[in-house]
Amino acid sequence: DTAVSQTPKYLVTQMGNDKSIKCEQNLGHDTMYWYKQDSKKFLKIMFSYNNKELIINETVPNRFSPKSPDKAHLNLHINSLELGDSAVYFCASSQDPGQTEAFFGQGTRLTVV
Amino acid sequence: AQSVTQLGSHVSVSEGALVLLRCNYSSSVPPYLFWYVQYPNQGLQLLLKYTSAATLVKGINGFEAEFKKSETSFHLTKPSAHMSDAAEYFCAVRKIQGAQKLVFGQGTRLTINP
Repeated sequence: DTAVSQTPKYLVTQMGNDKSIKCEQNLGHDTMYWYKQDSKKFLKIMFSYNNKELIINETVPNRFSPKSPDKAHLNLHINSLELGDSAVYFCASSQDPGQTEAFFGQGTRLTVV
Repeated sequence: AQSVTQLGSHVSVSEGALVLLRCNYSSSVPPYLFWYVQYPNQGLQLLLKYTSAATLVKGINGFEAEFKKSETSFHLTKPSAHMSDAAEYFCAVRKIQGAQKLVFGQGTRLTINP
C-alpha cells in the first residue's frame, strides 16, 4: 500500500507544452510538498501546503502552479515547458509543517525535448 | 541563511568496512538535522534525525550520527558496510522555528566494493 504516490513516473514532452503531475498520500498527513531534483542530484523545495493552504513558495517561475483539492492531494501543473524544467520532481508529505519526518514519493522524471 | 555541506560527492568503501559520510552545517540558530537515503530510482527515506535531544542519534539499518555543535557537524557512520547500503545519502538542515523548510546538501553517493 503506497504511502505517497505520484503519477506519472516518467513524462517526456515537447517544449511549450503544458503538463501536470499528480500526487496523493494516504498517511493522513496535513502537509504536502513538491521538490525538484536536478541532474546533479541537488534537491530543492518548491512548494509546501498545509491543510490545502500554501505555506512555502520558493522562487519558482509562475509557470509552475500547485493545486491542492484536498489535504491528501497536491498536484503540480507546469505551463509552457522549457528544456531547463527537465528534472525529477518529488512529492512528499509530513504530519507537521516542520517536516520532522517527511515521506517521499518515488519521483516523476520529466524530460523536455 | 542555513546551508549544508557534504564533503565528498562520492565515497567508496569495502564490504564490512566503516562507513563515514561527512556533513557540516551553517546556521545562525540551533537547527534540526536529518539524514536521508535515496536508493536508485526511488524517493528519499529518512534514516535518522537530530531534534535537540540526545546528540548521538541512532537510525535505521545500523546507521548513527553525532551532533557536534563545536564542530558544526553531523557525520553519518555505520560500523560495517553492507552491499545493500549502496545509495545516495543526503544531509539536511531545518530551523527549529521560522520558515520550516528542509535545506539539503548536495548528496554523497556511497559505493560498496565486494
